[in-house]
Amino acid sequence: KNQVEQSPQSLIILEGKNCTLQCNYTVSPFSNLRWYKQDTGRGPVSLTIMTFSENTKSNGRYTATLDADTKQSSLHITASQLSDSASYICVVTPLNSGNQFYFGTGTSLTVIP
Amino acid sequence: DAEITQSPRHKITETGRQVTLACHQTWNHNNMFWYRQDLGHGLRLIHYSYGVQDTNKGEVSDGYSVSRSNTEDLPLTLESAASSQTSVYFCASSEFGFAGELFFGEGSRLTVL
Repeated sequence: KNQVEQSPQSLIILEGKNCTLQCNYTVSPFSNLRWYKQDTGRGPVSLTIMTFSENTKSNGRYTATLDADTKQSSLHITASQLSDSASYICVVTPLNSGNQFYFGTGTSLTVIP
Repeated sequence: DAEITQSPRHKITETGRQVTLACHQTWNHNNMFWYRQDLGHGLRLIHYSYGVQDTNKGEVSDGYSVSRSNTEDLPLTLESAASSQTSVYFCASSEFGFAGELFFGEGSRLTVL
């Protein structure tokens, strides 16, 4: 069964600190892996998208890495800000799509002053 | 700017009533999707459409229907609302189907009493 699992489920960090969110997947083969940010009460917004051949992708203070061999991805947030408080969702698209995205359940990040 | 809007943002209804959630996008995307989001689950696909007059069932389509009469709109109808359909519903659109980036609406929170 194709699955996308994220950890931790929730995380609280101090403003200005760095953090890393994890995504492990079993979808294989896959076409791309995406990270979305979802603010409370809003729709998800794309942060990064990586194909299976890419190892890293940055978007400002957000850096996503991908290890296709171990089927792991991480999202690193540098110098966190209060506005980073949100849910972060990992999404994997199979290579033979089968008309499906596989969504993780997300990591809820809270940044406190 | 192009956008995707959902209405209503919040709705409370009673079991057995018909409910329609509207989704309107100005991206001119052919591909549109409806998801539901529940605690403990990743976003789950309800229905999707690749263009006018095209509709397809997703993994949780029972009790839902959609119609696509133009490019901009994909309304989601709950024929006879059930308490199990209490959820947050997200509409999304994409230029390249399941291979492209998804643009999400702000969500519609539906409560079925």
